[in-house]
Amino acid sequence: KAGVTQTPRYLIKTRGQQVTLSCSPISGHRSVSWYQQTPGQGLQFLFEYFSETQRNKGNFPGRFSGRQFSNSRSEMNVSTLELGDSALYLCASRRGHGRGMGEQYFGPGTRLTVT
Amino acid sequence: DAKTTQPPSMDCAEGRAANLPCNHSTISGNEYVYWYRQIHSQGPQYIIHGLKNNETNEMASLIITEDRKSSTLILPHATLRDTAVYYCIALNYGGSQGNLIFGKGTKLSVKP
Repeated sequence: KAGVTQTPRYLIKTRGQQVTLSCSPISGHRSVSWYQQTPGQGLQFLFEYFSETQRNKGNFPGRFSGRQFSNSRSEMNVSTLELGDSALYLCASRRGHGRGMGEQYFGPGTRLTVT
Repeated sequence: DAKTTQPPSMDCAEGRAANLPCNHSTISGNEYVYWYRQIHSQGPQYIIHGLKNNETNEMASLIITEDRKSSTLILPHATLRDTAVYYCIALNYGGSQGNLIFGKGTKLSVKP
C-alpha cells in the first residue's frame, strides 16, 4: 500500500511570497495532520483535518492555513513568508479521528527554504 | 498529556540490544505510551504503543513498569539502520486530538 506522499519535496521561496504544500494520505485514511520541524523548536503541530474540517490547531499565526478535500488530500498554505518559516513541513495521516488514534503515518516532508 | 523525559543520547553496538528508557511519572490511567523514531531527513515512523501490558511487534518490544511511571523500548538486535532519534509520547486515549507532542527524544547511535 502506498505511503503518505508530499509535494513538492523541496522548495525555495522569497520573503513575502506565499507557498502551498500538498499531502496525499494513505488510501482509506481520513485524517491528516501537519507538523513543522525546525532545529530550534523541534517538531510542532500545526493543524489536523478530518472530513474536510479543521479539528485541532496548534499555536501558529494565521498566516498558516490549510484545507482538506473530499478525497482526503490536504494542502497547507503559508502567506507572507518570513525567514523563520524555513523548515521541514511534515504531513501525517491516520485512519480516523477520535479515541486512541495515536498511530500516525508520516510523509517524507517538504523542505521549505525562505531567502 | 503527561510529560515524558528521555536521555538525550545513547550508543549501542551493532547486533546488541538497544534499550531506550522513558520516564512518564505523571502519566494518567487513560494515557497510552507511543514510540516513534525519525531517521535523519525522513518523516517520523510509528514503532509501537502500549497501555500497561508489555507489547511486541516486528520492530521492537515495549516494556512498561507496573506503576506505569516509566517504560523501555527494546530493539533486540540493533543495526546501523536503527540509528535515529527515538521519541516517547504519552497520549490520552480518550482524547480526540490529532496532535502528537514530540519532545527532544533520544538520539541513538548504533556503532559497528
